[in-house]
Amino acid sequence: DAKTTQPPSMDCAEGRAANLPCNHSTISGNEYVYWYRQIHSQGPQYIIHGLKNNETNEMASLIITEDRKSSTLILPHATLRDTAVYYCIVRVDNYGQNFVFGPGTRLSVLP
Amino acid sequence: DAGVTQSPTHLIKTRGQQVTLRCSPKSGHDTVSWYQQALGQGPQFIFQYYEEEERQRGNFPDRFSGHQFPNYSSELNVNALLLGDSALYLCASSSPPGYEQYFGPGTRLTVT
Repeated sequence: DAKTTQPPSMDCAEGRAANLPCNHSTISGNEYVYWYRQIHSQGPQYIIHGLKNNETNEMASLIITEDRKSSTLILPHATLRDTAVYYCIVRVDNYGQNFVFGPGTRLSVLP
Repeated sequence: DAGVTQSPTHLIKTRGQQVTLRCSPKSGHDTVSWYQQALGQGPQFIFQYYEEEERQRGNFPDRFSGHQFPNYSSELNVNALLLGDSALYLCASSSPPGYEQYFGPGTRLTVT
């Protein structure tokens, strides 16, 4: 079973920041927080991951709370192309570890 | 730099038949994982291959088998197809130092 909890759906206005929350209250000390997204009928796309520090790349920012029990993925200026299902996953970074996907959050960016 | 590629894109098979799906990993990646995604659900892990060996397996029956070749490409075989095997089959590759997996576009299998 997935070790994360996400809202099933969210809306965001085009051009505004999209803030997607994720609860992972049982996360272990060596587990990373990963975010993927999946645009309709395509393969999941890696977005970002982190352990305990906030991370930023060209796609998004990841904010992890100090107790690591929750995190937020931020898309700073959402576009219509960001409409997708967003998956938050916790996983140990070792060989042989797979990803356990939950149902994710369906983000709809509205014009 | 070519990403993960999969073939075929779509496939229609009849119950009881066998199917082989193919995956070429991202350049420089040595590990291939396979996932099954039923309509409306998240991907479910099938198994992972590294150095031509199955390293980890999810909760799938023995009808699902795989292979990895010396060039790191991989095949997924499903025998005795059931209607419930209809799904999007995803291949993902990875390699150190990052452990993130990069997914291919998937193969849509329909069993009739």
